[in-house]
Amino acid sequence: SAVISQKPSRDICQRGTSLTIQCQVDSQVTMMFWYRQQPGQSLTLIATANQGSEATYESGFVIDKFPISRPNLTFSTLTVSNMSPEDSSIYLCSVEDWARRNTEAFFGQGTRLTVV
Amino acid sequence: AQSVAQPEDQVNVAEGNPLTVKCTYSVSGNPYLFWYVQYPNRGLQFLLKYITGDNLVKGSYGFEAEFNKSQTSFHLKKPSALVSDSALYFCAVRPNYNQGGKLIFGQGTELSVKP
Repeated sequence: SAVISQKPSRDICQRGTSLTIQCQVDSQVTMMFWYRQQPGQSLTLIATANQGSEATYESGFVIDKFPISRPNLTFSTLTVSNMSPEDSSIYLCSVEDWARRNTEAFFGQGTRLTVV
Repeated sequence: AQSVAQPEDQVNVAEGNPLTVKCTYSVSGNPYLFWYVQYPNRGLQFLLKYITGDNLVKGSYGFEAEFNKSQTSFHLKKPSALVSDSALYFCAVRPNYNQGGKLIFGQGTELSVKP
């Protein structure tokens, strides 16, 4: 199994500012994903973090708002830009090994973001 | 459209009683099925999965799940609930990779086990 370290675990931010969340994995993984979990709701996929190229965003999410980097196979960052209270959520990093198709996804502990 | 449904927002069980958390899916082909648990202020933890083979799969913490292809269901079960099982449970489905292959999550079921 993969061990994922996600930082920060929580933050309270002023509206209009940006926050960068880091995700570090203890082994090389093929796929890294970023999810948003709004209060009392399920997980919504934001994007797939592609190593060495631009992330692939899901419908409703754009690069200007959620820029993502993945410089190598063990690290990725998600930035929440120009924040508003509606961005208050838990943001989760996830990794999967698509070279082994029947394996489960592993998740970081999440970043609880509150925008005031 | 591909989807996963957890029909119960909340399940309440007395400690020591059996529990069931329901999950049905609408995905073509032979998807992979998963259950995850989320404790307060934590990420998701993997419980169990169905890939192929025996319809009854066993996982962590005494949980098991039964795959029913004809009913497209994958219900989570435990013979005797513990107060510490109280958490948020998510069912997830991974379609075939030629359909994208990304996980689809249910809306979650809050399990409350009372002493």
